Amino acid sequence: EAQVTQNPRYLITVTGKKLTVTCSQNMNHEYMSWYRQDPGLGLRQIYYSMNVEVTDKGDVPEGYKVSRKEKRNFPLILESPSPNQTSLYFCASRLLLRPQETQYFGPGTRLLVL
Amino acid sequence: AQKITQTQPGMFVQEKEAVTLDCTYDTSDPSYGLFWYKQPSSGEMIFLIYQGSYDQQNATEGRYSLNFQKARKSANLVISASQLGDSAMYFCAMRDWGTGNQFYFGTGTSLTVIP
Repeated sequence: EAQVTQNPRYLITVTGKKLTVTCSQNMNHEYMSWYRQDPGLGLRQIYYSMNVEVTDKGDVPEGYKVSRKEKRNFPLILESPSPNQTSLYFCASRLLLRPQETQYFGPGTRLLVL
Repeated sequence: AQKITQTQPGMFVQEKEAVTLDCTYDTSDPSYGLFWYKQPSSGEMIFLIYQGSYDQQNATEGRYSLNFQKARKSANLVISASQLGDSAMYFCAMRDWGTGNQFYFGTGTSLTVIP
């Protein structure tokens, strides 16, 4: 089954404790992206990657890191989480050269930073 | 500047009626794509419909249609014959080729279908 998986789905942590949210897709997509969703703000792009070892900042990259060492994986790293990073996070992927095609979204990760 | 604007935070519609969810966008690039997504209370993002800037006809997918008015920069979603299962958040999104591969979402409209 074609899908984007994220782990963990739910996470409660404390300020300053490094964490990683994993994202993996099995569709051989070049493009992968991370978003955060907050009430009243919609989804905002954090980082995206157009291929292995190629990453770019989105609209809200501060406090986040990403890496793209393999095509299928695109982890999101919070080196020192803060309460303002409490949010719902989505990973997404798509074929790079088919712009009319939608992104495929993961199920989301709910993060609470205390 | 806001790339995508959804001015209706919440909407109500009677079951079996049609409803229009508004979306306006801002881009100076002639090449762009517009998307609508549905997010039920369970949280997943479900793709509904796509409209390309060069498409001559309005996009349709089953009960969903996109009222694309290029000169007004609007891309409203029309849901016909509303069903209780249509109750959800709806997001309009845009990708314009000028900014490369960034994707912009609106703030969403919460639709409630009343029996």
